[in-house]
Amino acid sequence: DVKVTQSSRYLVKRTGEKVFLECVQDMDHENMFWYRQDPGLGLRLIYFSYDVKMKEKGDIPEGYSVSREKKERFSLILESASTNQTSMYLCASSLLEGVGYTFGSGTRLTVV
Amino acid sequence: RKEVEQDPGPFNVPEGATVAFNCTYSNSASQSFFWYRQDCRKEPKLLMSVYSSGNEDGRFTAQLNRASQYISLLIRDSKLSDSATYLCVVPLAGGYNKLIFGAGTRLAVHP
Repeated sequence: DVKVTQSSRYLVKRTGEKVFLECVQDMDHENMFWYRQDPGLGLRLIYFSYDVKMKEKGDIPEGYSVSREKKERFSLILESASTNQTSMYLCASSLLEGVGYTFGSGTRLTVV
Repeated sequence: RKEVEQDPGPFNVPEGATVAFNCTYSNSASQSFFWYRQDCRKEPKLLMSVYSSGNEDGRFTAQLNRASQYISLLIRDSKLSDSATYLCVVPLAGGYNKLIFGAGTRLAVHP
């Protein structure tokens, strides 16, 4: 089974800090995705990557950036954390087309 | 019209009941669809894939109606452990395997 590992389960950061969320998958998947999930809003796509060093904006990229230097690792960066970025962050990976995603267990980020 | 719409519920049903969820989508070019299950404060997990008119897996049946652009999930003989939120998932046109997740339908099965 594919395993998607997110480095932290819970994080508490201060407003203005630069925050790194790490995600690693072990099945050589081309596509990787970062979502945030908030009550009543469902999953919203922040960024995705279809290859090393390739990235595309999702629906809500503002305030975020990403890095994919190696195929197995996709990092989400909050340049200057704000309280409205308090959320559950989910990383996912998949093969190229027509298949579902495998999600990591999520990082619950609180910005104070 | 939203890309994916689901009734948010909650559906409160007794053990043993049959319950059905519907989901409508707007992208008529979609070919493959999915149902995910999400437990409280956990990540979504793939429940079923729907590639043609339908798919059955034990107590779970997913059906696809392309003409009306809706997908359904039927759960027979509900168990307490079926209590969760069920997400309808539709692919977005444009490649890269981008998927659109519905907001989910919450199911609560009670004794």
